[in-house]
Amino acid sequence: EDQVTQSPEALRLQEGESSSLNCSYTVSGLRGLFWYRQDPGKGPEFLFTLYSAGEEKEKERLKATLTKKESFLHITAPKPEDSATYLCAVQAWNYGQNFVFGPGTRLSVLP
Amino acid sequence: EAQVTQNPRYLITVTGKKLTVTCSQNMNHEYMSWYRQDPGLGLRQIYYSMNVEVTDKGDVPEGYKVSRKEKRNFPLILESPSPNQTSLYFCASSPTVNTEAFFGQGTRLTVV
Repeated sequence: EDQVTQSPEALRLQEGESSSLNCSYTVSGLRGLFWYRQDPGKGPEFLFTLYSAGEEKEKERLKATLTKKESFLHITAPKPEDSATYLCAVQAWNYGQNFVFGPGTRLSVLP
Repeated sequence: EAQVTQNPRYLITVTGKKLTVTCSQNMNHEYMSWYRQDPGLGLRQIYYSMNVEVTDKGDVPEGYKVSRKEKRNFPLILESPSPNQTSLYFCASSPTVNTEAFFGQGTRLTVV
């Protein structure tokens, strides 16, 4: 069964302590992998799109990478304002035009 | 300001009473979609629309209807709401099907 999983489910970091979040997918024919940030009570906010294995994108303290079966969101020297839930979403040729979201990683960065 | 606007933000209704949640975007996006978000289940796509008069089912379409008569609007209709449709709903729009989505603020629906 095609699916999107994320790990860990929750992560607590000290300010400045770098780490990585994982998004694994089992789909046929990836069209795109998307990362979003969601703050409590708000809609998801777009971060990155990755289209092919080997692709990398960076924005401030965040860097997203993509392999054939997973994506990583690397957070370098995080700050408390990076605390949020991080979601990945996949679009694949065998899904048609659907998006499938992973369950998310809840990140807390302590000062 | 580029945005996706949903209304209402909060709604409490009774079982069986038809309701509509409106969604409007001002970015001339072609692709629009509706999601529900439930604890432990994440975001699940209900319906999507590739363009005006083109709609299709997502992963959880049962009990919902949509229409896309104008490019900017994509209302979600619950003809006979049931308690299992209590959820947080998000509307989203994208320039095209395979690009980043812009989400609305969400509608918290409670069906009693």
